[in-house]
Amino acid sequence: AQSVTQPDIHITVSEGASLELRCNYSYGATPYLFWYVQSPGQGLQLLLKYFSGDTLVQGIKGFEAEFKRSQSSFNLRKPSVHWSDAAEYFCAVGLLSGGYNKLIFGAGTRLAVHP
Amino acid sequence: NAGVTQTPKFQVLKTGQSMTLQCAQDMNHNSMYWYRQDPGMGLRLIYYSASEGTTDKGEVPNGYNVSRLNKREFSLRLESAAPSQTSVYFCASSGLGTGGRGEAFFGQGTRLTVV
Repeated sequence: AQSVTQPDIHITVSEGASLELRCNYSYGATPYLFWYVQSPGQGLQLLLKYFSGDTLVQGIKGFEAEFKRSQSSFNLRKPSVHWSDAAEYFCAVGLLSGGYNKLIFGAGTRLAVHP
Repeated sequence: NAGVTQTPKFQVLKTGQSMTLQCAQDMNHNSMYWYRQDPGMGLRLIYYSASEGTTDKGEVPNGYNVSRLNKREFSLRLESAAPSQTSVYFCASSGLGTGGRGEAFFGQGTRLTVV
């Protein structure tokens, strides 16, 4: 069965420090991979997505993610975190199932940023 | 550009009461979804509608019903609310991306408390 694992429930970093959020997936075929961000009290916003090609993808707000097939991972990175990046981050796998685009989400990683 | 609009934003119900959550999208998307978000569990799919006129169960459909009123609107109904349905509910929509590519756009969420 398809699944997405985000091993870190909470992460705290200092403003200006680098960030890496981990995501591992279980899916037999080449996955379509997404990272979403949820600010407090808000809906989810797409940060970036990977479908094929270059395994390093750039997203909004200075985020990037790298697809590593051998490790079944799609980790999210940012070189220098800003206080406004404090939010919850969700990794998701997209697949076609029963005629619709099915998204399977990880449990999320909540990021806190210290000044 | 409103995107996906959900109403209401907050609701408190007594056990056994019924209510309908409304969702509308203005992006001409074919597929619409209802998710619930609970701490530590990510987003779980309740029901989806691959296209106008069709609806299907997701992972956690028990206690819910849906109606795809037209291409724009997809409502979620709780017939007899239970405390276990206390959650944050998100509506989402996506275009007909092939094979799982469709990016999902989310509403702001409805925070429902059942007492």
